[in-house]
Amino acid sequence: SAVISQKPSRDICQRGTSLTIQCQVDSQVTMMFWYRQQPGQSLTLIATANQGSEATYESGFVIDKFPISRPNLTFSTLTVSNMSPEDSSIYLCSAGAGAYQLFFGSGTQLSVL
Amino acid sequence: AQTVTQSQPEMSVQEAETVTLSCTYDTSESDYYLFWYKQPPSRQMILVIRQEAYKQQNATENRFSVNFQKAAKSFSLKISDSQLGDAAMYFCAYRSAEGVSEKLVFGKGTKLTVNP
Repeated sequence: SAVISQKPSRDICQRGTSLTIQCQVDSQVTMMFWYRQQPGQSLTLIATANQGSEATYESGFVIDKFPISRPNLTFSTLTVSNMSPEDSSIYLCSAGAGAYQLFFGSGTQLSVL
Repeated sequence: AQTVTQSQPEMSVQEAETVTLSCTYDTSESDYYLFWYKQPPSRQMILVIRQEAYKQQNATENRFSVNFQKAAKSFSLKISDSQLGDAAMYFCAYRSAEGVSEKLVFGKGTKLTVNP
């Protein structure tokens, strides 16, 4: 199994500002993933973060809005840039643990005023 | 692209009784994994059970079991002897086994209420 620490757990931000969310895994993993969960909705994949290469973004998500770093095999950050109230969501980090499952962090609850 | 459908936005069950949550999926792949995740109000996504598509035997984890019907592309979750702690959002998820990506595709979720 893997333990994923994510911080901050919640934040309230002003529109136009940026927030960086950190994700730390207690073991080396190949892929890390960032998901968004809008209020009352399911999880939508934002991007896949691979160590040593550019993140791969899903349709509808762009690097300028959601820049991602992956400096090593245990750590990643997601930045939500130039925030608007529509960015108010839960952001979840996850990492693979072999073929069978993904583990998740406890999420970051973001509210944009 | 793969899709996952959960047709029951909400379900309720009496404590100690059994409830079944539905999930269907669409894929052209033959090799994949299916999962049920539980998300309580704490936001933590907790893996409940997983199924490999190549296995005909249905997965079981204590009070949780699945009915996997590959031809029908159906993957329902049965919770037996429901407990108050089972109350949560339940998400069905699909993961391809035919590529290198480990990303999950989620359904919209089912909110389960357990009544005492």
